[in-house]
Amino acid sequence: AAGVIQSPRHLIKEKRETATLKCYPIPRHDTVYWYQQGPGQDPQFLISFYEKMQSDKGSIPDRFSAQQFSDYHSELNMSSLELGDSALYFCASSFGRGGGEQFFGPGTRLTVL
Amino acid sequence: KQEVTQIPAALSVPEGENLVLNCSFTDSAIYNLQWFRQDPGKGLTSLLLIQSSQREQTSGRLNASLDKSSGRSTLYIAASQPGDSATYLCAVKGGTDKLIFGTGTRLQVFP
Repeated sequence: AAGVIQSPRHLIKEKRETATLKCYPIPRHDTVYWYQQGPGQDPQFLISFYEKMQSDKGSIPDRFSAQQFSDYHSELNMSSLELGDSALYFCASSFGRGGGEQFFGPGTRLTVL
Repeated sequence: KQEVTQIPAALSVPEGENLVLNCSFTDSAIYNLQWFRQDPGKGLTSLLLIQSSQREQTSGRLNASLDKSSGRSTLYIAASQPGDSATYLCAVKGGTDKLIFGTGTRLQVFP
């Protein structure tokens, strides 16, 4: 079965650079979620989109922005990167916003030097 | 504010044992609860989803129960195997989109 696809899988950036993470949800899933997992921590919710509209917002820095496109894929844009942004970034998708099961991608490991 | 706690934080058992992992949450107004497995540095694999109206879910050797009123869920793993070694996370969903995760139970099953 098709799973959530994230690219790139690994990314190394310098401080103050920008990064773009991409997420391709499971076919027919209309809701996308972004989570950040720091070293030794549990995943923290950043932002979600339903039918291309932002539906919920968590602890996402103002330096970060995201959107969902007409084909339901999503991109997380991160600017003015800081050392503390180094983490594993997960995208998840579900069908609908209600009690749907969230399926997670393999993650993008971002390292900021 | 919803808080999710998992006990124990780590567990090391011999192969073949039956295990119980515990998850507790402070706000019983949840939509659903998911159990995940995470291998080191890897993604999250969804194991079971329990809706708030359900009491338990089963998948193979895994059984998860939910007692919403007491804010507890347990994940029962039968006949553990070395391949079950991973970190197990529970996560609750309230009225918003986000999942709130516990800090996980790190399980090691040795031959």
